[in-house]
Amino acid sequence: AQTVTQSQPEMSVQEAETVTLSCTYDTSESDYYLFWYKQPPSRQMILVIRQEAYKQQNATENRFSVNFQKAAKSFSLKISDSQLGDAAMYFCAYIASGTYKYIFGTGTRLKVLA
Amino acid sequence: NAGVTQTPKFRILKIGQSMTLQCTQDMNHNYMYWYRQDPGMGLKLIYYSVGAGITDKGEVPNGYNVSRSTTEDFPLRLELAAPSQTSVYFCASSYWSGGLGTGELFFGEGSRLTVL
Repeated sequence: AQTVTQSQPEMSVQEAETVTLSCTYDTSESDYYLFWYKQPPSRQMILVIRQEAYKQQNATENRFSVNFQKAAKSFSLKISDSQLGDAAMYFCAYIASGTYKYIFGTGTRLKVLA
Repeated sequence: NAGVTQTPKFRILKIGQSMTLQCTQDMNHNYMYWYRQDPGMGLKLIYYSVGAGITDKGEVPNGYNVSRSTTEDFPLRLELAAPSQTSVYFCASSYWSGGLGTGELFFGEGSRLTVL
């Protein structure tokens, strides 16, 4: 069965510092997508970044980047120059190409300290 | 750019009452989903649909029903509400064609339901 594991229930980072959130997944598929979603206190789920498994290059979106290690089945999110607005729950998610079912991790709560 | 629209945003129900959560998307997405999120937890799939007229159960379908008569709309019906259905409900949609798509799941703003 496909699973997504986020082993850090909570993380803290000082404003302007860098933090890395961990995500590992288990799958036998070769073609899939990985995502990081942010859920601020407003509870709206917002896509932060996505990665196609066939792409070797790590995705980046401004201050957000991923370290995608396909062989290790690891997909960590790095947030640089952390801002107070980055405080939220972050969910890692997976979907195999051509299927319907998204698999979500249990989330990591990120606190940003001023 | 409406995206995925859910109504209502908040609702309090008494045990045994019924209600429908409405969900509409204007992106012509073929896949639609209903999730529930209990406090401090991740998302659990209730029902999903791969196109108009086609629905199927997710992980936690008991106590709920859905229909998909159009591409745009995917309402979730709660019958005989119970305290265990107190949760935040999210509707979401995505687009896939022949196994290809961006994969991005677009979410509504969520509906907080309390059953007392």
